[in-house]
Amino acid sequence: GAVVSQHPSRVICKSGTSVKIECRSLDFQATTMFWYRQFPKKSLMLMATSNEGSKATYEQGVEKDKFLINHASLTLSTLTVTSAHPEDSSFYICSARDTTSAYNEQFFGPGTRLTVL
Amino acid sequence: GQNIDQPTEMTATEGAIVQINCTYQTSGFNGLFWYQQHAGEAPTFLSYNVLDGLEEKGRFSSFLSRSKGYSYLLLKELQMKDSASYLCAVMDSNYQLIWGAGTKLIIKP
Repeated sequence: GAVVSQHPSRVICKSGTSVKIECRSLDFQATTMFWYRQFPKKSLMLMATSNEGSKATYEQGVEKDKFLINHASLTLSTLTVTSAHPEDSSFYICSARDTTSAYNEQFFGPGTRLTVL
Repeated sequence: GQNIDQPTEMTATEGAIVQINCTYQTSGFNGLFWYQQHAGEAPTFLSYNVLDGLEEKGRFSSFLSRSKGYSYLLLKELQMKDSASYLCAVMDSNYQLIWGAGTKLIIKP
């Protein structure tokens, strides 16, 4: 199947700093990528849909000024958590839709565990 | 509103069979996915159903009834490594995935 990488896999930062997470589709072009967060023992929560060359679509309740998304190319989307606070600590997962696949499914990156001190 | 229901947790014995159910109500339907997620890892794709019936893939099978808004994932010959969360997700009319909360499957020797 298609491969999606995510970097970094783990980051610890101080409160008030910004953190950038990269999501790359390695062997396919993804016009659409998705950003999720997941709290312990909870399901995935879609934060935003990232569309190449246009503005991201944010889900209700997600602050677009806090979670900046840039999808500058067909293989790269970035999520920047600005002025991070301890409540932003979570597991952030990106996925990319491979429209050439048989099922149009989303392939997930390995996730980024963010801990804000 | 859109809703996906699946049991929170299930327990089964190594070597046995377990069925994880999923019911859904969504705006439109473009297929139902099952994903497996081990703790601390991202989900991995298991199966996709868009037509009624059973799809078999090795030890795993997935069933769909669109009229009933119902699916199940069947795992046979359970192994300890199958201990994980199993996520049911429906692709709605906007091709967006709507996720269930996941079923934590515990396998006992």
